[in-house]
Amino acid sequence: ELKVEQNPLFLSMQEGKNYTIYCNYSTTSDRLYWYRQDPGKSLESLFVLLSNGAVKQEGRLMASLDTKARLSTLHITAAVHDLSATYFCAAGSNDYKLSFGAGTTVTVRA
Amino acid sequence: DTAVSQTPKYLVTQMGNDKSIKCEQNLGHDTMYWYKQDSKKFLKIMFSYNNKELIINETVPNRFSPKSPDKAHLNLHINSLELGDSAVYFCASSQDWGYYEQYFGPGTRLTVT
Repeated sequence: ELKVEQNPLFLSMQEGKNYTIYCNYSTTSDRLYWYRQDPGKSLESLFVLLSNGAVKQEGRLMASLDTKARLSTLHITAAVHDLSATYFCAAGSNDYKLSFGAGTTVTVRA
Repeated sequence: DTAVSQTPKYLVTQMGNDKSIKCEQNLGHDTMYWYKQDSKKFLKIMFSYNNKELIINETVPNRFSPKSPDKAHLNLHINSLELGDSAVYFCASSQDWGYYEQYFGPGTRLTVT
């Protein structure tokens, strides 16, 4: 069974600084997704990474995938308050199921 | 113009009751899913349908029964509700089965008392 671990689980960010969330997965996967969830809300798709070395950027967020290391990272540049949310990574297994990490709850403080 | 919608948004009921949650997508997708998010925000797939056929059926009590009357709808019926069923249930859809992005509905918060 594909297991996905995120760390840290909680991240207190200072505005203007850079941070990284790590997502490790246990077995071969060639697709990795990042989602954002605001409190009491649904999941919003941020990035879909489908190949080794894939890098995608949107605003202050950049995601990358290293399939050999079974690692994806979500890098946050110059954190702002609007980025406070819970971020989930999910990896796809050979039977097409998505396994989600536990989520990283991000709080951005002034 | 909601892409994936669920009803109801909130559901409070007593143990032993039977309830249903409805999901509809207007994206023209072929695949739909049900996920359960527990109180610690952990998300787990329950079921998936592709073109009205069940393709994922995770280890879920048989009190849970999905039904897909057509490609655009996937409903979840729960019999004999238990306290442990309290969670947020998300419906999602994707273009097809496999390497496709999943779009999530707003969620249904089920509270069993």
